[in-house]
Amino acid sequence: RKEVEQDPGPFNVPEGATVAFNCTYSNSASQSFFWYRQDCRKEPKLLMSVYSSGNEDGRFTAQLNRASQYISLLIRDSKLSDSATYLCVVMFMAYDMRFGAGTRLTVKP
Amino acid sequence: GAVVSQHPSWVICKSGTSVKIECRSLDFQATTMFWYRQFPKQSLMLMATSNEGSKATYEQGVEKDKFLINHASLTLSTLTVTSAHPEDSSFYICSARGDVSGGLKETQYFGPGTRLLVL
Repeated sequence: RKEVEQDPGPFNVPEGATVAFNCTYSNSASQSFFWYRQDCRKEPKLLMSVYSSGNEDGRFTAQLNRASQYISLLIRDSKLSDSATYLCVVMFMAYDMRFGAGTRLTVKP
Repeated sequence: GAVVSQHPSWVICKSGTSVKIECRSLDFQATTMFWYRQFPKQSLMLMATSNEGSKATYEQGVEKDKFLINHASLTLSTLTVTSAHPEDSSFYICSARGDVSGGLKETQYFGPGTRLLVL
């Protein structure tokens, strides 16, 4: 079983749609969780951290369920500029980040 | 925000040559730097972790004699791919972790990556 698993997609949605990505992780001792965004041929950029209480940043909402070892990202009112690959990242220790393979999102006009 | 640069951004070389990639933290001191490799449509894979002034810690399956890492200062780490072969062609990304004003302590800041093509 992979350490971090994501649905690779691709997700093709129209502008304005709501889309959700899921991620599961295998190490129950994982401490920190993040969503990164990676544009084609570019480096990953931090989108948001994920907390047990859930957190929201504008149109983006992240949730963490430690019992189920599950992380989600919800994007509301999708924009064309949201098209990218979204990487689920799990940190076991301070120096140990593990990346999911990413979920590709394409938002169409 | 924190800025991490990489040089070169892309390189094409002949099989058997060595390629050096530099990673610099421009506006903060990076106590730890990380080197990742990403093949097309795959996830980033951690290759090694390096702390300034000490030897790098390599992930299982990564040859330390082939991928030489030097972290000589708090702002510079280099990755040298020795005797590169076509299978080493990949996207190499570094990241840096350090005390960034206003940033999360756990956050790694990524460089723009280096595309290596070995012919």
